[in-house]
Parts: sequence; structure tokens; C-alpha cells
Amino acid sequence: LAKTTQPISMDSYEGQEVNITCSHNNIATNDYITWYQQFPSQGPRFIIQGYKTKVTNEVASLFIPADRKSSTLSLPRVSLSDTAVYYCLVGESGYSTLTFGKGTMLLVSP
Amino acid sequence: ETGVTQSPTHLIKTRGQQVTLRCSSQSGHNTVSWYQQALGQGPQFIFQYYREEENGRGNFPPRFSGLQFPNYSSELNVNALELDDSALYLCASSTTGSRSYGYTFGSGTRLTVV
Repeated sequence: LAKTTQPISMDSYEGQEVNITCSHNNIATNDYITWYQQFPSQGPRFIIQGYKTKVTNEVASLFIPADRKSSTLSLPRVSLSDTAVYYCLVGESGYSTLTFGKGTMLLVSP
Repeated sequence: ETGVTQSPTHLIKTRGQQVTLRCSSQSGHNTVSWYQQALGQGPQFIFQYYREEENGRGNFPPRFSGLQFPNYSSELNVNALELDDSALYLCASSTTGSRSYGYTFGSGTRLTVV
């Protein structure tokens, strides 16, 4: 599985757009990029998944450049409730296990 | 549609003891995975069960074992507890061959070994 690198922490204010970038230089052709969100004392929750270009859902957008060696999770107009740890995962579609790194701790302040 | 439920939510055990943690899968899911999450770390894969058999295992010793029942619920058993086993234990259910978005996690069991 491709190794991922993401910032340990980020700070933001309510109403701002937050972009979290994940580096995955060794991504394989069959690998997808998936982001999970985890609140304290809860299990991770799927946010978004993509293979290339741009994916958008009701929660976030995921930008993937042509070389796919990095990806950026974009959270529009964050609120205090978006304070959480965000994990970037890379792996084949249908793979049976999830490999988590340490994630990025996002702190949103008033 | 019910989500994944885990019990108990918190547990304190003494070093050397044995513990059993329980997980009920989300309706419609037939695969259960267990993860260990130490403080400040991401979840680490322990093992996965499908059709009542283990079909994948992470880097955990044999004293970590599990069961899956016909109704797809599952148990995680840990023998000879060590202090380093203190962690949040997460159960995730999915359907076979799920893409990585298909996993539903429970809220976990916080195990403290003293």
C-alpha cells in the first residue's frame, strides 16, 4: 500500500475554507484515494473518495492532480463541529483492510 | 438501518487478565474488521472475519483472537493482557469486496489495562 504524508495539525476559523493536502508519491495505478473523519471517542467516518481530477459531495471536495502523487481535501466554510482528525488513505478499490496514518488534527476556532 | 454497535463502551482490566469485546454489524453487512487505536495514533488493523472465518490479519500476536457468528456479529478476545493493550478498539462492518468507502465503524470500546 502506498504511504501517505499529511500535516500533523491545522488551525482555522469558522466560515473559512480549509484545504488539507496529502502526499502519496508511490500511488499505484489501481489505487483510490479515500478520506475519513474521526471525532474524539468515535470511529472514523467516510468523507469522500476519488481516483482522478475532482470529486464533490455534500460534505467536501477532493482535488487530485494528473500525476496523482498528491490530493487535497477541501472543506468549505468550516464550523466548530468540523474539528476532528482527518485521515488520507490510499489503496485498491475493494481491498479488505484500511491502512491509517496519524492523520491531520483540524482545530476550528470561533 | 442500524449502525455498528459495540459493547462495552469502557472497560478496565488488570494485566494478565482476559477480555472479550463485542460488535453488532450494520444491517446488510457480512464482513467485520477490528482495529486498535492507541492514543494519538491512527487505527491499526487487527483482523477481519467473513463467513465466520478469519480472512485477513494485521501484525498482532495470536493472543488476539476473534469470532464471527451466523448473524454477522463478532467478538474480539485478548488473552494475557499487557499494559500496551490499552487502547480504543474499533469494529467496522462492510460487505464483501467493499471499496474503502463501504466501511461503517462503531464508536469503539475504550480498554484500560492497569
